[in-house]
Amino acid sequence: SQQGEEDPQALSIQEGENATMNCSYKTSINNLQWYRQNSGRGLVHLILIRSNEREKHSGRLRVTLDTSKKSSSLLITASRAADTASYFCATASGTYKYIFGTGTRLKVLA
Amino acid sequence: DAGVIQSPRHEVTEMGQEVTLRCKPISGHDYLFWYRQTMMRGLELLIYFNNNVPIDDSGMPEDRFSAKMPNASFSTLKIQPSEPRDSAVYFCASTALGYEQYFGPGTRLTVT
Repeated sequence: SQQGEEDPQALSIQEGENATMNCSYKTSINNLQWYRQNSGRGLVHLILIRSNEREKHSGRLRVTLDTSKKSSSLLITASRAADTASYFCATASGTYKYIFGTGTRLKVLA
Repeated sequence: DAGVIQSPRHEVTEMGQEVTLRCKPISGHDYLFWYRQTMMRGLELLIYFNNNVPIDDSGMPEDRFSAKMPNASFSTLKIQPSEPRDSAVYFCASTALGYEQYFGPGTRLTVT
């Protein structure tokens, strides 16, 4: 069963704009991760946020976590054409059995 | 390090044939995961190993699927017999602490 559901399913923005995508999950978690997947490639880890953290930054990425709402958001600031990819959240609760969401397809137009 | 290595990158086979997918994890990583990705079902965890021991295989779709990890540097995922609905991209991933996973490039399997 799907744990994480990303929203929106697809997003198209202009280069330089910010992109925000959201992830909702159903059960309590230990941590939540975001991954990027370029077309035809494997997933690449972007950032991990633990259940006791509310916000985390890494370069142009900002992740927030609201455990009361069981949701997370990924913000990419000053987007570039190279950010065009699919973005997935992954959650685990108590084990290393990560469940990936359905993904957000981001297209950044130059 | 070369990263996670998977072979073959592409596999086309006929229904009923045996298919073996291979994975070499990153040296020193003690967790290995097998995933399947399709448009319909997204990315699904099939099975994962810790120190070569299968920990959770609840995602393996049916008895036609089997996975082994004979040593720390090699794992196989076998489908016998294969069916058209097994067509998907199969990913192997490894990690040292069970958190940040490093994915291989995937094997695109087509069963005709």
